[in-house]
Amino acid sequence: SQQGEEDPQALSIQEGENATMNCSYKTSINNLQWYRQNSGRGLVHLILIRSNEREKHSGRLRVTLDTSKKSSSLLITASRAADTASYFCATASVIQGAQKLVFGQGTRLTINP
Amino acid sequence: DAGITQSPRHKVTETGTPVTLRCHQTENHRYMYWYRQDPGHGLRLIHYSYGVKDTDKGEVSDGYSVSRSKTEDFLLTLESATSSQTSVYFCAISGSAGGGTGELFFGEGSRLTVL
Repeated sequence: SQQGEEDPQALSIQEGENATMNCSYKTSINNLQWYRQNSGRGLVHLILIRSNEREKHSGRLRVTLDTSKKSSSLLITASRAADTASYFCATASVIQGAQKLVFGQGTRLTINP
Repeated sequence: DAGITQSPRHKVTETGTPVTLRCHQTENHRYMYWYRQDPGHGLRLIHYSYGVKDTDKGEVSDGYSVSRSKTEDFLLTLESATSSQTSVYFCAISGSAGGGTGELFFGEGSRLTVL
């Protein structure tokens, strides 16, 4: 079962613009995480926001979480060509300390120079 | 990069043959995971381990088994491969000795094709 649904599925913007990706989910969570995947590579963790947090920043990244609406957003400011990648949200439940992540299908972001 | 090595990185096999994928970590992380990634499905959890000899099923465990005889190695076995198991398989780790922050570190993936 797919927990996270991401929107849009694909996004193409000009370098320097901001990119916003949205994620919705269905059940209660311990935390929500965002990952990036470059073509043909493994996933790289970007940011984790806990269920009792509403907003978090890391460099050019800003993540929000609205547990009442079961949704999250990832904002990348001042985009660069190197930001071109697929971005995935993942909702986490913690079982015996393990982070059981359920991933969305991802947003494919293209930054045009 | 986290010290995670997946092997083999690419494999082509025939339906009905057994296949074992290996994940080796040098980070001494407690938790290890196997995911598969398919177009239109994102990543789905197959099995995970919360310690040596301690494993549990994930979302898509049918047709797969795992073993973890030591901290650093987590093996994924397809007893009799089927074409529906053609996929890219990712190993991940989490939970450093100090408890960790909850993030997963992923390997580079193993691309399996079952003919």
